[in-house]
Formats: sequence, C-alpha cells, structure tokens
Amino acid sequence: DAGVIQSPRHEVTEMGQEVTLRCKPISGHDYLFWYRQTMMRGLELLIYFNNNVPIDDSGMPEDRFSAKMPNASFSTLKIQPSEPRDSAVYFCASRPSPGTSGRNEQFFGPGTRLTVL
Amino acid sequence: DAKTTQPPSMDCAEGRAANLPCNHSTISGNEYVYWYRQIHSQGPQYIIHGLKNNETNEMASLIITEDRKSSTLILPHATLRDTAVYYCIVRALRDDKIIFGKGTRLHILP
Repeated sequence: DAGVIQSPRHEVTEMGQEVTLRCKPISGHDYLFWYRQTMMRGLELLIYFNNNVPIDDSGMPEDRFSAKMPNASFSTLKIQPSEPRDSAVYFCASRPSPGTSGRNEQFFGPGTRLTVL
Repeated sequence: DAKTTQPPSMDCAEGRAANLPCNHSTISGNEYVYWYRQIHSQGPQYIIHGLKNNETNEMASLIITEDRKSSTLILPHATLRDTAVYYCIVRALRDDKIIFGKGTRLHILP
C-alpha cells in the first residue's frame, strides 16, 4: 500500500499566483481531511470530505481557499490568490469508515511545504 | 480548543522508558483517549487509543487513570527514532475531526 500521496512535496510561488495542492487517499477510505501546519498555529483542520462530499469547511481561512474531491481517489486544495501568510505545510489524511473498535485512525500523507514569496 | 493539557517538552535517555503525561479532566464518558506522534518533516502517525482500560501494542502502552481524568503514554525502551512531538487527543467515536493541541516535544538523549 502506497499510503496517502501528496504532490507536489515542495512549492515555491510568488504572491498573487494560484496554487493547487493534490492528494490521493488510500484506496477504500471514505474520509479525506486537509490540514495546515504552521509554527504559530500548529496543526489545523481546514476541511474534510465523506464519500467525496464536503462535510465541514469551517476551518477554511477565507474565500481564497477552495477544496474539491471529484472522485474517491483524488482531491485538490486551491489557493487563489496566494499570500505570504499562506506559507505552511499542508497535510492530507484519509480514513476508512469508523468501525466499533474506536480506532478511527487517520493516515497522513507526507505533506506539501508551501512557500509564498 | 484542545481538551487536553500536556507538558511542552520532555527529555528521556535512550534505552529508558519515556512516560508522557496528559490531563483531560473534562473527558466525557463516551470519549476515547488517542495518541499520535509527529516525527520531524512527516505527517502525524497514530500510536494507540483507549477508553478506560490500559492498552498495549507494539509501539507503546497507554495507562488511563480510574477516573479517566489523566493518562500516560509509555514508550518502554526509547530510541533516537522516538524523538518527535506527541499529541494526546480526546474524541468520541462518532467525531470525525481530530483537534490537535500543541503536544509534547520528546527529546531522546544518546
């Protein structure tokens, strides 16, 4: 199993440019999560999907951020226009439907390090 | 806001047991205690979880007090590869979200 795949691993862009981050969840997982991590704010949940449908986007900072999940094997997080304060590591995670064991484990990808100049 | 309190950092000698405490005094009866860790430059990784009984797996042991208001994650024989930030999280089975706090930065000393 390849695990959660994210691309690119590193992105450097200039302020005002559009940025698209990509995620391929683990096959068979029903849930997909996007997180952002900075030194100041720690690890924050931005949005999550269940069966390709956005369930909670209350963590999305503002309208410049959007996320889509067109099918069960692919999701994107887009920032347009990007700003220097968007610089962070963005993680994607996936999870199967919860069972009865309580494990509810999320599997995280390696992250995309975004730098906006 | 995270429902847990953890020390910001701890040191442990290599080969010794690392005991990481967590306070969760407002935990509800249906909430589990979860532990994740994040090694530098990687995504968080699940370690273990429990409801009220002590739990052990190949990575660690979890000791939950009888009143469930606190717990301790034990790494029995810490190695340099255990250097990471450890997050203690409480959540109910039905909760989809994980709310990460600041965690404990564990340094394993050679």
